[in-house]
This record gives sequence, structure tokens and C-alpha cells, in this order.
Amino acid sequence: DSGVTQTPKHLITATGQRVTLRCSPRSGDLSVYWYQQSLDQGLQFLIQYYNGEERAKGNILERFSAQQFPDLHSELNLSSLELGDSALYFCASSVEAGLNTGELFFGEGSRLTVL
Amino acid sequence: GEDVEQSLFLSVREGDSSVINCTYTDSSSTYLYWYKQEPGAGLQLLTYIFSNMDMKQDQRLTVLLNKKDKHLSLRIADTQTGDSAIYFCAESRPHGSSNTGKLIFGQGTTLQVKP
Repeated sequence: DSGVTQTPKHLITATGQRVTLRCSPRSGDLSVYWYQQSLDQGLQFLIQYYNGEERAKGNILERFSAQQFPDLHSELNLSSLELGDSALYFCASSVEAGLNTGELFFGEGSRLTVL
Repeated sequence: GEDVEQSLFLSVREGDSSVINCTYTDSSSTYLYWYKQEPGAGLQLLTYIFSNMDMKQDQRLTVLLNKKDKHLSLRIADTQTGDSAIYFCAESRPHGSSNTGKLIFGQGTTLQVKP
């Protein structure tokens, strides 16, 4: 158990819909990262937050947004869903904003299926 | 380009050594990592190497880094069936001049260990 909690574990929805994925980082971790894992794209970095502020942005679509709340949990919002958004979405946390030893602690992921 | 590349599949017999290879792109990466993903789980950090090192050994794991060729390898000695998993290499990609940033992952190598 990494200490990172993601909900829901599985989600099935239809094209055009909007979903919210939730992540609670490890106790004490200030930094949250979101990654998308799909069969054809591998593991893609989406976005990073540190202590409530956006720190780094990756290949995140405009239809997607995220935020980190004062209690440090984070939400990833996916809207106008398309079939290609079906993937496993991972949240990871780390203590710091920087990449020192690089240990990210990953949750078990939220599997999104868009029909 | 952005890509970190790995071969997709490796099959070995129990007791043999496994060598998983990776090429990365950013010569300014300060750390390089190996993560392991077991079925149904998130990624877990196995080991990392600082970019000024050539080799790092940690029990059954040996990491070799050829910075000139931007080549990283993970050797698992005496491979066991419990080592069957997907192995990801990753490089740290700094964000501007700060030490914040992101980990860029390869596609992952599925290691199959036959009894």
C-alpha cells in the first residue's frame, strides 16, 4: 500500500460526459502528479501540483483540468469525453516539488472506460 | 524528441538473469529511474541512478548508465517468477531552471519469467 488513494477504481461512462477523478496523497506529501496510461501511448504525464499550485504541465488536453485543494487532495476533471480517453489514470505524490530522488508514490489508478 | 524507449517484451527462465534496456533523450536529466508495475497495481520505484554514476548495485538489481549513448539498463540476477511485471524506465525532465518538473516514462517492458 503506497498510501495514495484514488477513487473511483473503475468508471464506465458515455461519450460527451464529464467525470471527476479524486486523489488523496500520502500523508505529508505536498506534491501531486497525474498520469494517463493507455495501451498505445504508454504512461503520459498530465500535470503536477505542489501545495495547491500548478507546477508543471504535460500533455494535458484542454478538455481536462485539475486542481489541488487546501487539504492537498487533488481532482482531475475530464469533460466532453471521447472513446480515446479510455485509460488508466494514475495519481502519484511526493514530499517535495522537485525531482531529487524521484520517488513518486503511485495510487492504484482509476480505470475509465468511455463507451 | 520526447520519447524514452524500451523494448516491449522480455521472456526469461527462472534463475536466469534478465536485462531490460532503455534509451532516453534528455542529456540534462539528473536522475534516471526504474519503476515496477505489478498487475492491478500502481508503479513502485525500484531503484534510481544519479547521472554522474556509471553503475549502481542494489541486491539482485544492477543499473548501468552509458551517458554518452543515453542508454540505461536494468539487470535482475537470479530472476524469480515474482519478478514478472512491467518495468518502466524514466528520466527526470526539469521544468525551466527550477528543479521542479516531471518524470518521463518509457512504454514499459513486460517481463515474463517462466518456471
